[in-house]
Amino acid sequence: AAGVIQSPRHLIKEKRETATLKCYPIPRHDTVYWYQQGPGQDPQFLISFYEKMQSDKGSIPDRFSAQQFSDYHSELNMSSLELGDSALYFCASSRGTGAKNSPLHFGNGTRLTVT
Amino acid sequence: GNSVTQMEGPVTLSEEAFLTINCTYTATGYPSLFWYVQYPGEGLQLLLKATKADDKGSNKGFEATYRKETTSFHLEKGSVQVSDSAVYFCALSEIPSGSARQLTFGSGTQLTVLP
Repeated sequence: AAGVIQSPRHLIKEKRETATLKCYPIPRHDTVYWYQQGPGQDPQFLISFYEKMQSDKGSIPDRFSAQQFSDYHSELNMSSLELGDSALYFCASSRGTGAKNSPLHFGNGTRLTVT
Repeated sequence: GNSVTQMEGPVTLSEEAFLTINCTYTATGYPSLFWYVQYPGEGLQLLLKATKADDKGSNKGFEATYRKETTSFHLEKGSVQVSDSAVYFCALSEIPSGSARQLTFGSGTQLTVLP
């Protein structure tokens, strides 16, 4: 079965550079979520989109922005990168936002290292 | 706000031992409860879920029962295998009116099963 695809798997950037992470949800999933997982930490919710509109916002820094496109894929744009942004970034997708029986499916994550 | 408290790890067991990972939660409404598993270098995979009180989620020999009276969702397995070695996250999802679902995770419990 198709899963959530994230690219790239690994990314190395220097401080103050920008990075773009991509997420391709499971077919027919219309909701995308972004999470950040620091080393040894639990995943923290950043932002989500439903039908190409931002639906919820968590602890996303102002330096980050994201959007969902017409084909439902999403991109997380990160500017002025800091060392503390080094983490595993997960994307998850689901069908709709109100169905308790539609759980989130996670991608394998993008590991961002800022040097 | 919502929160999830998990049993601290790491947990080390011998193969075929009984596993319990405790999870309790705090929520303002009626959340859905989940266990996710993260194998080394991989994304989060949904292990099991329960959407209402007294529901029992089960998968791959793992079980957890949604206990509203004790606000708990403890994960159990009768006989663990080496391949069960991973990090286990308890999570809840609540749907505030008009908002997209998002997961609140516990801190994760590292399980190592020795042959």
